[in-house]
Amino acid sequence: GPKVLQIPSHQIIDMGQMVTLNCDPVSNHLYFYWYKQILGQQMEFLVNFYNGKVMEKSKLFKDQFSVERPDGSYFTLKIQPTALEDSAVYFCASSLRDRGYEQYFGPGTRLTVL
Amino acid sequence: GEKVEQHESTLSVREGDSAVINCTYTDTASSYFPWYKQEAGKGLHFVIDIRSNVDRKQSQRLIVLLDKKAKRFSLHITATQPEDSAIYFCAAITSGGNYKPTFGKGTSLVVHP
Repeated sequence: GPKVLQIPSHQIIDMGQMVTLNCDPVSNHLYFYWYKQILGQQMEFLVNFYNGKVMEKSKLFKDQFSVERPDGSYFTLKIQPTALEDSAVYFCASSLRDRGYEQYFGPGTRLTVL
Repeated sequence: GEKVEQHESTLSVREGDSAVINCTYTDTASSYFPWYKQEAGKGLHFVIDIRSNVDRKQSQRLIVLLDKKAKRFSLHITATQPEDSAIYFCAAITSGGNYKPTFGKGTSLVVHP
């Protein structure tokens, strides 16, 4: 079936550095999402993105976060600067507009901020 | 905002038995309830969903029930197989908006041969 890829699978960085998480969504999908899951807790919505714009974001989507998908390439989540509390697994997802409910998820990127 | 509670954190069944995972939600505006399966080291995989205009949906060995009055929905896996072993997440999405789900914490299902 359709697959969403995420690169890298694991990233370790020092607090204060910038990090970019990459997502390769399903090729014909139009909506893109990021979620954050802290170990042992529920996955929580961060942001969704359509037609080059952020459509909706949660309070977890801090000012240090940004998303973009330049020219149909990777859908990225950038955190600058990182903080200790940003350590989590970040999941990317994508969906078709008319099947927006059916999101396809990537395997996640485990971010460790030291 | 919406809160979704997934009642079983772990569930262990024997192969061939049925497994039931229960979730409750708080927001009466929730109208769509997908279920996802996550195998070790992989992302969430959509398995089945139900919309609020029905109270039962079946796809092969998977049955989803929705009780809007009780704000409860459940996933029934019949004739379980070892490959059903995974973490299952329920979610609720409110009508309108941008399809932003609220997830449960997940149920780790183990099917013993």
